[in-house]
Amino acid sequence: AQSVAQPEDQVNVAEGNPLTVKCTYSVSGNPYLFWYVQYPNRGLQFLLKYITGDNLVKGSYGFEAEFNKSQTSFHLKKPSALVSDSALYFCAVRDANYGGSQGNLIFGKGTKLSVKP
Amino acid sequence: SQTIHQWPATLVQPVGSPLSLECTVEGTSNPNLYWYRQAAGRGLQLLFYSVGIGQISSEVPQNLSASRPQDRQFILSSKKLLLSDSGFYLCAWSVSGRLGNQPQHFGDGTRLSIL
Repeated sequence: AQSVAQPEDQVNVAEGNPLTVKCTYSVSGNPYLFWYVQYPNRGLQFLLKYITGDNLVKGSYGFEAEFNKSQTSFHLKKPSALVSDSALYFCAVRDANYGGSQGNLIFGKGTKLSVKP
Repeated sequence: SQTIHQWPATLVQPVGSPLSLECTVEGTSNPNLYWYRQAAGRGLQLLFYSVGIGQISSEVPQNLSASRPQDRQFILSSKKLLLSDSGFYLCAWSVSGRLGNQPQHFGDGTRLSIL
């Protein structure tokens, strides 16, 4: 069975400091991994994805994520946080070996990022 | 470029009333389409997905139904709403195909409150 875990409900960071939002996953085959951001009363916006290749993936708004196969992790990072980065962040996984409903995206429960000035 | 529209943005309905939420996508053909519900501002629950006109797969048994009358139109319906149907409903689309390496793109959602 596929699953994804975001172990922190909330992450608090001071503006200008680096941030990390954690994500671990479980799939039987190879993973396709995605990060999304959600601002209040809005839909989810796609930030970045890992499909294959380089373990470090760069995305929108200065975010990047590192795929670690041995630790089954895909943590989201940013070198210098902005107050405007405050939002809800979702990690999602899909098993590359499956189509149909088994291939649908599985979302984590979300991590609320709060960046203080 | 592709865009996705959902309406209405907010809706207040009495228990037992019918529901119709609409989602349309522009700028792409034969997209995969999805309906999600997000409760309490957190986790997403996939309700329905569609890979083509008239093709609907249901992920969770409930009193909701979905239809896809046109290629880029996805409708979420109910004949009689329950209090538990309250939530934030999100429509999404992705490029079709079995590769599965394409992201989903979300609309801005409908906030549904049942009284």
